[in-house]
Amino acid sequence: ETGVTQTPRHLVMGMTNKKSLKCEQHLGHNAMYWYKQSAKKPLELMFVYSLEERVENNSVPSRFSPECPNSSHLFLHLHTLQPEDSALYLCASSQESNRPYGYTFGSGTRLTVV
Amino acid sequence: GENVEQHPSTLSVQEGDSAVIKCTYSDSASNYFPWYKQELGKRPQLIIDIRSNVGEKKDQRIAVTLNKTAKHFSLHITETQPEDSAVYFCAASIEAGGSYIPTFGRGTSLIVHP
Repeated sequence: ETGVTQTPRHLVMGMTNKKSLKCEQHLGHNAMYWYKQSAKKPLELMFVYSLEERVENNSVPSRFSPECPNSSHLFLHLHTLQPEDSALYLCASSQESNRPYGYTFGSGTRLTVV
Repeated sequence: GENVEQHPSTLSVQEGDSAVIKCTYSDSASNYFPWYKQELGKRPQLIIDIRSNVGEKKDQRIAVTLNKTAKHFSLHITETQPEDSAVYFCAASIEAGGSYIPTFGRGTSLIVHP
């Protein structure tokens, strides 16, 4: 483990379901991120939390709702998703400082919306 | 905002050959350029990075070059091995006050044939 743990690893959900993705980091980092990775597309930044405050929301649909209760935990709450939301959702963390460290990614949650 | 183009999308080489992946960026203010390797089914991992105050950086068989004037940077892998097979992502970002949010390229799928 690299220190960023995501659960579950795989998730299949119907369009009317509500589910949550969880990310936990044990690196002492103070910034956390959600990315969406779809086939043949660049990594898409969804949300950024720095010191537990959301600092960026890249026009993500409201059916995705992030939550960062503390600097070690990040959630992505999902409801009424669409099939096109099927993708790999990656969490990452970093340490914001005078010399920032590169992102450390989690293994991702493979989401399938049926 | 920043736009990162990455080529080629797929690169197939024989074991022992060199591989080169090229990226261009649009924002001249970008000053930090990390490269990530993502093996099949695994998380992206930082393999090398370069800051705009240097033109080249090497780490064993991997090297990255940066041309600030032309706004392009490249990843060079020499003496490729089958375990180098993966998707490689370049990214560009503005490192300011210890905070940065990279913009990723679409990725290059490198296949090294034994």
